[in-house]
Amino acid sequence: DAGVIQSPRHEVTEMGQEVTLRCKPISGHNSLFWYRQTMMRGLELLIYFNNNVPIDDSGMPEDRFSAKMPNASFSTLKIQPSEPRDSAVYFCASSPGTGSYEQYFGPGTRLTVT
Amino acid sequence: AQKVTQAQTEISVVEKEDVTLDCVYETRDTTYYLFWYKQPPSGELVFLIRRNSFDEQNEISGRYSWNFQKSTSSFNFTITASQVVDSAVYFCALSEFGNEKLTFGTGTRLTIIP
Repeated sequence: DAGVIQSPRHEVTEMGQEVTLRCKPISGHNSLFWYRQTMMRGLELLIYFNNNVPIDDSGMPEDRFSAKMPNASFSTLKIQPSEPRDSAVYFCASSPGTGSYEQYFGPGTRLTVT
Repeated sequence: AQKVTQAQTEISVVEKEDVTLDCVYETRDTTYYLFWYKQPPSGELVFLIRRNSFDEQNEISGRYSWNFQKSTSSFNFTITASQVVDSAVYFCALSEFGNEKLTFGTGTRLTIIP
């Protein structure tokens, strides 16, 4: 079975540009999570969805960040406008359902904003 | 508030030695879940184990074993007869009942020296 799929794997963009990260969760999983990993702050949960509905977005850093999940098999994380401090690895993860199930992570998108 | 502490930032051992990674957690809930993840140099996060707070039995999976002790709020991970492929950053994580959010520790970088 395919795991969590993320695209692109690497993204280099200039400050001020819009960036869109994409995620396809494991088929049948009901929950989807977006994380950011940096050396300074470690792994941070940005937002998570259950059955396509955002449940907790308290980790979204500011209004420049937005996330959507239009259907069970696709989610996007958008940064507009991007800033150098947004440079990080962004992970998407999915889990089988509500409750504290294990989360399965995608390979991540390494974002560099110059 | 929940918190996970991995006091060991980096550990290096010679191949075939045993090594234990420490994890101490804090939570006010009586029902919670503990996890370990592995992040090899390639960058992806790999799920290793999930344990609920009612199950204090130690778990063994091949060369890996986990020791859960509620009395000391610890969930330690031991690798027996370490191998170079075990070199990675290992994260301990916690979630509380009814909440899918994972709180991660800062990770322990394990280097196995051939």
